[in-house]
Amino acid sequence: DAGITQSPRYKITETGRQVTLMCHQTWSHSYMFWYRQDLGHGLRLIYYSAAADITDKGEVPDGYVVSRSKTENFPLTLESATRSQTSVYFCATSNRASGSRRSYNEQFFGPGTRLTVL
Amino acid sequence: DAKTTQPPSMDCAEGRAANLPCNHSTISGNEYVYWYRQIHSQGPQYIIHGLKNNETNEMASLIITEDRKSSTLILPHATLRDTAVYYCIVLDRGSTLGRLYFGRGTQLTVWP
Repeated sequence: DAGITQSPRYKITETGRQVTLMCHQTWSHSYMFWYRQDLGHGLRLIYYSAAADITDKGEVPDGYVVSRSKTENFPLTLESATRSQTSVYFCATSNRASGSRRSYNEQFFGPGTRLTVL
Repeated sequence: DAKTTQPPSMDCAEGRAANLPCNHSTISGNEYVYWYRQIHSQGPQYIIHGLKNNETNEMASLIITEDRKSSTLILPHATLRDTAVYYCIVLDRGSTLGRLYFGRGTQLTVWP
């Protein structure tokens, strides 16, 4: 049971390059999220998706693009990477449609991608 | 906006109970208290949540005061593997998304 996976786990790129971080889940959870984690800021929501083809902005969406053509995948693209986007990126899922009390707002997080922009 | 206040750090001896406090004095009637933790270099992990009654599961217990303005997460027999950052989050269960706002959390260090 793979659950939720992220790739790559580590990425070094240069300013101005396009970078895509992948997130894949095997649970068919309806909701998926992208967070970034920086020292001094905790986790901040970048984008989220309630279902395939439905996405919306979080707290810090500028400089990022997402898509969700299939339920199981939620890629995050940095169109032109900047040094300020150096961070650890976490993908998460939630099965709010399940109806169970615990699962309603429980989010399952992937292992993270550590991105460095030089 | 995290809406919660937690001490930045605590420590606990292995085998003893770890009691992590959280202040959420502006909590509203529809908001639940959630606890997550993040072990170093891993993604956050759900622990427990509650509305107004005390809750217990296989990982921890959650004690919410009667006025709901504060709560305590209890790890009854802390182990070294419980060393992590613990986040207390208030969340409106009825919100469209149920977004989690992670504050700074409490760094719990369990020592042998």
